[in-house]
Amino acid sequence: DAGITQSPRYKITETGRQVTLMCHQTWSHSYMFWYRQDLGHGLRLIYYSAAADITDKGEVPDGYVVSRSKTENFPLTLESATRSQTSVYFCASSELAGRRYEQYFGPGTRLTVT
Amino acid sequence: QKEVEQNSGPLSVPEGAIASLNCTYSDRGSQSFFWYRQYSGKSPELIMFIYSNGDKEDGRFTAQLNKASQYVSLLIRDSQPSDSATYLCAVNRARGADGLTFGKGTHLIIQP
Repeated sequence: DAGITQSPRYKITETGRQVTLMCHQTWSHSYMFWYRQDLGHGLRLIYYSAAADITDKGEVPDGYVVSRSKTENFPLTLESATRSQTSVYFCASSELAGRRYEQYFGPGTRLTVT
Repeated sequence: QKEVEQNSGPLSVPEGAIASLNCTYSDRGSQSFFWYRQYSGKSPELIMFIYSNGDKEDGRFTAQLNKASQYVSLLIRDSQPSDSATYLCAVNRARGADGLTFGKGTHLIIQP
């Protein structure tokens, strides 16, 4: 049972390039999330999705695009990468049950923008 | 702005002692509270969650919630060197399943 996977695990790209980070979960969770983690800021929510074709902005959405055509996949695209987007990106998923839910994280993608 | 505050540490605790980690949050509408453990270079791992005032115990871990004081804590009994990690406090945003707000984490060091 793979759970939640992310690819690539490491990526180096140049300023201005488009890059897509992939996230795939095998639990059939309805909810999926993208966070970035930076020293001094902790984990911050970029985008989230409640179901296929339903997405919404989080705390730091600028410069990012998401889509969710299938329940199990939630790709994150940086349309024109900037150095400030150098970070570790985590995907997470959860299944809401009443007023409680627990989020489980993927292994992360370390992105460097040069 | 919703905030979650943690002492960044490092918090140094002798092996076998109780480690006490604290967290305060600003949004009174927060409904769910989580503790994640994160080893260096790894992803956050959920270790405890609590939704009601009081204590919740799971093995060596106890989570404590006081909504009136907007305070969450995590106790680790019989601390082991393998407990050395960064512990992240997270709360759900009041609207429900729309993401977690995280504190910046407390770095815990268990001294053998």
